[in-house]
Amino acid sequence: NAGVTQTPKFQVLKTGQSMTLQCAQDMNHNSMYWYRQDPGMGLRLIYYSASEGTTDKGEVPNGYNVSRLNKREFSLRLESAAPSQTSVYFCASSGQGIGINQPQHFGDGTRLSIL
Amino acid sequence: EDKVVQSPLSLVVHEGDTVTLNCSYEVTNFRSLLWYKQEKKAPTFLFMLTSSGIEKKSGRLSSILDKKELFSILNITATQTGDSAVYLCAPVSGNTPLVFGKGTRLSVIA
Repeated sequence: NAGVTQTPKFQVLKTGQSMTLQCAQDMNHNSMYWYRQDPGMGLRLIYYSASEGTTDKGEVPNGYNVSRLNKREFSLRLESAAPSQTSVYFCASSGQGIGINQPQHFGDGTRLSIL
Repeated sequence: EDKVVQSPLSLVVHEGDTVTLNCSYEVTNFRSLLWYKQEKKAPTFLFMLTSSGIEKKSGRLSSILDKKELFSILNITATQTGDSAVYLCAPVSGNTPLVFGKGTRLSVIA
């Protein structure tokens, strides 16, 4: 059982390049999330999708866009990468939605470096 | 604005020691509190706490919630090097997605 799968695992970009991070879950979860994790900053929510067809901004959405392609897939796009976006990106999913007592399940992360 | 504060930010102990990690929170429409362990990759779920005063246990790890004072603690007894990780807490709010604390980095040395 794969759970939450993120691709790629590593990526190096030049400033100004664009990139899409992919995330897919096979647990039939309604809600999906994108976080970034920087040293000393914990996990910060970029965007989330409470259910298929909806997306909302999180704490740090600037410079990113998302697409909830279907129930399984939630992608994160950097249109014009900046060095400040160097980070580890985690995708997560949860079963019933926002505010429901269910834990989130995380992918293994994408380590992104912007030069 | 929702707030989650974890303390200490980092901790170094010797194998066999007992540690207590703290998580205080301020969220609207509180539902529950989650604890995660993060080693090299993805955070993995440890506990969900919904009621005050009821201890959750899993082996050497235990956790308890105080909804009146708005905090939770995670205890680890007889620590082992495999317990070295970042421990994250996150309150579940009825209105918004999870807000994670910055975590406590625990290092257990032999």
